Amino acid sequence: GIQVEQSPPDLILQEGANSTLRCNFSDSVNNLQWFHQNPWGQLINLFYIPSGTKQNGRLSATTVATERYSLLYISSSQTTDSGVYFCAVDTLNSGGYQKVTFGTGTKLQVIP
Amino acid sequence: EAQVTQNPRYLITVTGKKLTVTCSQNMNHEYMSWYRQDPGLGLRQIYYSMNVEVTDKGDVPEGYKVSRKEKRNFPLILESPSPNQTSLYFCASSPGTSGIRRIYEQYFGPGTRLTVT
Repeated sequence: GIQVEQSPPDLILQEGANSTLRCNFSDSVNNLQWFHQNPWGQLINLFYIPSGTKQNGRLSATTVATERYSLLYISSSQTTDSGVYFCAVDTLNSGGYQKVTFGTGTKLQVIP
Repeated sequence: EAQVTQNPRYLITVTGKKLTVTCSQNMNHEYMSWYRQDPGLGLRQIYYSMNVEVTDKGDVPEGYKVSRKEKRNFPLILESPSPNQTSLYFCASSPGTSGIRRIYEQYFGPGTRLTVT
């Protein structure tokens, strides 16, 4: 099946710093989504981005589907950005249905 | 308010005692799915449903059952729970349509933390 790797696995930032998180996938995908899992375990939608670039406040994301990667940019990080960031892709399985594979995650800690 | 709800949020049970975790969405979404999250293994898909009466296995279906008798509900059934099913479970839904067979943006429930002793 498809492999979805995220880097770096762990990241510590000083408040106010910028960062780039990467998601690589091993095969063609139909869709890609970025999530933030906060320290309470809740999964929050960040971007639905099968291709192109989107921005939402201090966050932006770019997916280059032909090169099989996506990037999540966090600017001017805040302590509330702490948590784990996941990308998730969906692919067509042998039965013709869509299945979802999550990446390995990047654990981010923003320190004051 | 548009949302995905799960119940219970926390459950401690014993090996072999059948249980059901309910999932409901009020967004008229066609696609629904269950995931489990384990340390070091990330989030893995258990089962998913493209529409009413249409379900398929994900990556880790062993020990679980699902049913989709109506569009809004997608319960997860553990017929005989075992300690290796101790995990954090998430339900999700998406407006993906079975005709196109494509998933759009997924919305997640708050999670159910299950402990099997």
